[in-house]
Amino acid sequence: GAVVSQHPSWVICKSGTSVKIECRSLDFQATTMFWYRQFPKQSLMLMATSNEGSKATYEQGVEKDKFLINHASLTLSTLTVTSAHPEDSSFYICSARGTSGFVGEQFFGPGTRLTVL
Amino acid sequence: EDKVVQSPLSLVVHEGDTVTLNCSYEVTNFRSLLWYKQEKKAPTFLFMLTSSGIEKKSGRLSSILDKKELFSILNITATQTGDSAIYLCAVEIQGAQKLVFGQGTRLTINP
Repeated sequence: GAVVSQHPSWVICKSGTSVKIECRSLDFQATTMFWYRQFPKQSLMLMATSNEGSKATYEQGVEKDKFLINHASLTLSTLTVTSAHPEDSSFYICSARGTSGFVGEQFFGPGTRLTVL
Repeated sequence: EDKVVQSPLSLVVHEGDTVTLNCSYEVTNFRSLLWYKQEKKAPTFLFMLTSSGIEKKSGRLSSILDKKELFSILNITATQTGDSAIYLCAVEIQGAQKLVFGQGTRLTINP
């Protein structure tokens, strides 16, 4: 089955620093990757959609300069939280869709828990 | 604004009970509705529904979609403690290449 990994699984950083989260599709080529954030007891909120080799499409209200997304290859997308603040603390989940997959056939990574002190 | 609403938000039952989870939606351009199960980490795919009235079934889980009334239900029969999880409903928007998720239903099965 399709496997998506994320690294790191958790990270604690100081306010003002930048944090990079990697999302990899391990056994398939992901033309599209999605980044979500999930607050405690809330649902997944789509932050942005990234297609390999092009700029990410951000959802309304998500600051593109704060959440930098790079989808440089068909197996890797990165999310960089720049100048992180405590309110950025959240669970970040990526998902990936293959070349033949429909949008709903997204395979989710295990998530990254970010805590900003 | 596209919206997906799940109910109840939380449900606690005893092992062996049958549960029904609800998902209603209002979206501009519906393509499909999906159900996911989320335990500690990433959601795992359960069902995708595109046509009204056709039940999808997997073991003790089943789901059906009503495109006229704009809702779906997820049934779990003979529940087990391993069914405890958050169940997420999502709607795929035609042409937008994205999913809109509901708030989720937190299901707890007590032994």
